[in-house]
Amino acid sequence: DQQVKQNSPSLSVQEGRISILNCDYTNSMFDYFLWYKKYPAEGPTFLISISSIKDKNEDGRFTVFLNKSAKHLSLHIVPSQPGDSAVYFCAASGSSGTYKYIFGTGTRLKVLA
Amino acid sequence: DTAVSQTPKYLVTQMGNDKSIKCEQNLGHDTMYWYKQDSKKFLKIMFSYNNKELIINETVPNRFSPKSPDKAHLNLHINSLELGDSAVYFCASSQGPGTGYTYEQYFGPGTRLTVT
Repeated sequence: DQQVKQNSPSLSVQEGRISILNCDYTNSMFDYFLWYKKYPAEGPTFLISISSIKDKNEDGRFTVFLNKSAKHLSLHIVPSQPGDSAVYFCAASGSSGTYKYIFGTGTRLKVLA
Repeated sequence: DTAVSQTPKYLVTQMGNDKSIKCEQNLGHDTMYWYKQDSKKFLKIMFSYNNKELIINETVPNRFSPKSPDKAHLNLHINSLELGDSAVYFCASSQGPGTGYTYEQYFGPGTRLTVT
């Protein structure tokens, strides 16, 4: 049973436009969410996170939105750049002191020049 | 200066062999992890150590044995390798403990294990 789902395996966006990557979760105990970016042959790199006490967190071109009632989060990249082309993973964790992160299966973003 | 390093990057071996993957982090983190990314690209946690103590041990065959000689190192030893063990294995580290707070993880480049 996959507790964190990224239902879009791939997404193509024109350079300069907005990229929206979505993530859904089923476990209501999750209260900390992270997004990672992964290039081929490299490990995932932390991008941005959000705690459940917030509904939005922004860092430069990257904004994460959290809708707790819908158990849904999204990552917005504006404007999208060709260097953003990568696989994006969302991950979730509870706050009980556990370090267990549950990852989604990833969305491959391709930004077209 | 690499933050989380893994060796080897590629490992090709035959069924039944025993192999080890090494991981080192120079970030001063207290917690280290092993993840497995299978053919479906699903990244799943296997083990986690905090200050050399095992804190997460997912349902993993006991052919897999992690060892943490110190806070900066977490090695993964695999006995009697099987075809299904073929995957990319990622090591990661994070700060911690942090009650009520979860820290982001820093990943190594991965080790692609191929069992023939």
